[in-house]
Amino acid sequence: DVHLAESGGGLVKSGGSLRLSCVVSGSTIYTYSLIWVRQAPGKGLEWVAYIDSTSTYIHYADSVKGRFTISRDDAKKSLYLQMNSLGVEDSAVYYCVRGRDIVASVYFDSWGQGTPVTVSS
Amino acid sequence: SYALTQTPSVSVAPGQTARVACGGNNIESKVVNWYQKKPDRAPVLVIYDDDDRPSGIPARFSGSNSGNTATLTISGVEAGDEADYYCQVWDSSTDHCVFGTGTTVTVL
Repeated sequence: DVHLAESGGGLVKSGGSLRLSCVVSGSTIYTYSLIWVRQAPGKGLEWVAYIDSTSTYIHYADSVKGRFTISRDDAKKSLYLQMNSLGVEDSAVYYCVRGRDIVASVYFDSWGQGTPVTVSS
Repeated sequence: SYALTQTPSVSVAPGQTARVACGGNNIESKVVNWYQKKPDRAPVLVIYDDDDRPSGIPARFSGSNSGNTATLTISGVEAGDEADYYCQVWDSSTDHCVFGTGTTVTVL
């Protein structure tokens, strides 16, 4: 079974930076897209960023564009999220997700357990 | 931007049928996926590509998509089905993923 394990979350002050990592085991990753999804306390799921299997297509939610950078290293079976200029609104549990691209869509078939990020003012 | 609207809560007795609606403009032109989210657990994919079930998901879970509404149906509801459910699409006009607002299913 595929297993995704996030790390790098923690407490940071507003305006600061964090880098999240995710290691994938039990599966190759080079044929899959990878995604970050977050859930703020008491809120719903929010898509953050997407990277396709070849790093050709990269997309961001409007709320993070220009501040966050998604990247992947298939040799290390890893996904990353560099988060800069963090604000309190970025406080959430961040999930690393494996994506399956189908015609006109992508669905998320495997999720990590999440890593919490808390931004203090 | 494209938006998906869900009823905040649905209550159902054990053994009955729960229907979770996901409304979006001409949603039938999009592919809808559904996720189950329990507290302190990672989300789980329960329906993809409108009406397909991943392996390991009980046949009690089914999906449909028509007009402006996609629906997740849970037949013979069990206590373990109590959770938040989210619909999701990919909006190809903006290359953005969109999640619905979420529905809490309560088993009475």
